[in-house]
Amino acid sequence: DAKTTQPTSMDCAEGRAANLPCNHSTISGNEYVYWYRQIHSQGPQYIIHGLKNNETNEMASLIITEDRKSSTLILPHATLRDTAVYYCIVRVAPSNTGKLIFGQGTTLQVKP
Amino acid sequence: EAQVTQNPRYLITVTGKKLTVTCSQNMNHEYMSWYRQDPGLGLRQIYYSMNVEVTDKGDVPEGYKVSRKEKRNFPLILESPSPNQTSLYFCASRPGTASNQPQHFGDGTRLSIL
Repeated sequence: DAKTTQPTSMDCAEGRAANLPCNHSTISGNEYVYWYRQIHSQGPQYIIHGLKNNETNEMASLIITEDRKSSTLILPHATLRDTAVYYCIVRVAPSNTGKLIFGQGTTLQVKP
Repeated sequence: EAQVTQNPRYLITVTGKKLTVTCSQNMNHEYMSWYRQDPGLGLRQIYYSMNVEVTDKGDVPEGYKVSRKEKRNFPLILESPSPNQTSLYFCASRPGTASNQPQHFGDGTRLSIL
């Protein structure tokens, strides 16, 4: 699975959009981009995933560049409860092991 | 409500005393997996199961056993726990490996082995 690079930490003002970047320059054609977050020591929570097209759900939007080498997770109106570690994961699907490789992620601090 | 349930949530025990952490999912998922999370090391896969009676080692299987006798349950067994197995454990499930659908995680089990 391709390696991902994320900033270690970011701040965002409450009510503003949080834009979290992820670099995955070695991504291959059958690899999906997944985003999870982990609030304190709770279980990782799935946010969104995509292959080529931009995706949106009730939690967030995922923007994938045309060359697929990077992506951005957008939380449109960040709240204090969005403070968490956000993980960008690239994984082949289908996959024999189903393993997710969690890097260090981005710690997002939403401030009042 | 679709969920992955782990028990216990917290456990303090002593070296050598066998323990089992249970994991149950109500989504009829074929694939289940166990991870451990340690500071500075992130989440690492211990074992996974692609279906009933099919299990395989992940990256850090030493000292652990699993079983998958029925689709909904995937217990993690520590036959002779040691202090280096003190960690935060997560169980996860998803529909199947031939799918791009995401994994769903339980709330975690914090184990302390003294």
